[in-house]
This record gives sequence, structure tokens and C-alpha cells, in this order.
Amino acid sequence: DAGVIQSPRHEVTEMGQEVTLRCKPISGHDYLFWYRQTMMRGLELLIYFNNNVPIDDSGMPEDRFSAKMPNASFSTLKIQPSEPRDSAVYFCASSPGGSFTATNEKLFFGSGTQLSVL
Amino acid sequence: GNSVTQMEGPVTLSEEAFLTINCTYTATGYPSLFWYVQYPGEGLQLLLKATKADDKGSNKGFEATYRKETTSFHLEKGSVQVSDSAVYFCALTTNTGNQFYFGTGTSLTVIP
Repeated sequence: DAGVIQSPRHEVTEMGQEVTLRCKPISGHDYLFWYRQTMMRGLELLIYFNNNVPIDDSGMPEDRFSAKMPNASFSTLKIQPSEPRDSAVYFCASSPGGSFTATNEKLFFGSGTQLSVL
Repeated sequence: GNSVTQMEGPVTLSEEAFLTINCTYTATGYPSLFWYVQYPGEGLQLLLKATKADDKGSNKGFEATYRKETTSFHLEKGSVQVSDSAVYFCALTTNTGNQFYFGTGTSLTVIP
């Protein structure tokens, strides 16, 4: 399996523009997570899905952020309008599901999207 | 609630030095504890885990022991290498939920 695939790897945009980040989870994984990483706040969970359904979006910073998972193999994180303070690395991760306390359960991370909003 | 606190970095060590990165946690339920590693330009990868008290996770020369009495999961390595330079994240998950709680990460640089 190719692992979790994110695109683009780098995105530079101007304030006010719409930004769409994409993620393809590992086939067969039931859980998908979006994280944001910044120097100041570390790794923050934004939202996660189970079987394409959003379970917890309490980490989404504000209404400018939205996430969708139209099918089991694709998810998007959209920022509209973007602001300079949104600059960060955004990670997508997936997991087979079940209990994370089971021996073989873990999160599989993509390589991230480096977003710069000017 | 659930949270993880790990020592702030950055940490700079000479090759073959001993490494300790401290991690303490608070949790509801019965947590499993993890160390993830992030190499430059990459996503996080699982380094080791422990699912119950007194368990020791180990991988690539790194070790961490789940200490319930001190709510800690400190990462150690006896002799670091330049290739260990990365950011290390302590994390937990509990049997009551399906999400991870990460610490802020500790950057390690090993110099020859």
C-alpha cells in the first residue's frame, strides 16, 4: 500500500483565497484524522471521521474551516477565506479502527501539506 | 480530561550521549501510551507503545516504561546517533475514545 497520500505537498496562497487540502487514506481504514502542526501550538486535532461520518469537529478553529469525506478513499479540508495565521503544516492520518489499545492499532500519517498564507 | 505534557526542547546532544525525554500524562479511563517520531519533511511514525502499567515499549534502541504511579512514560536511549535527529511526540489514547492526544513535541538534534 502507498500509505496515506496528501496533496499538495506545498501550498502558497494569498490572504482571502480559498484553499483545499486533499487526503487519500489507506484502503480499508475506517478512521481519518486531520491535524494541524504549528510551532506555537504543536499538533492539534481538527476533526476526525469514522466510516466517512464526522465524529468530532470540536478542534476546527472557526467557520472558515470545513472538512468533508464523500467516500472511504477521499477527504478534503477547506479554508475559505484563508488568513496568514492559518499558515501551518496540515497532516492527514488514518487508522484501521477498532480499539487503539489493541496491539497492532496505530495512526498512519501522510507527509503533510505545508500551507503558507501571505 | 486527557492531556500529555512533555519536556520542551530543543535538545542538542553529542553522538553516543544518553537521551531522556520526559513525558507525563493525565487521563480518564485506562490509557495506552505512545511515542511517535517525525523525521524532517515527513509525517509522524510510531516509535513504540505500551498498553498497560509496567509495560516497556522498545524499538530501535529506544525504550519507555509505562509508570502508572508517576503517570509518566519517559523516552530513553543509551547512545544516540546523528540519524536520531527528529521531533519526538508523546501521545495517549484511552479505551473510552478513538482519538489520540499528543504532546507538543521535543526536537532532538544529535551532532557528530
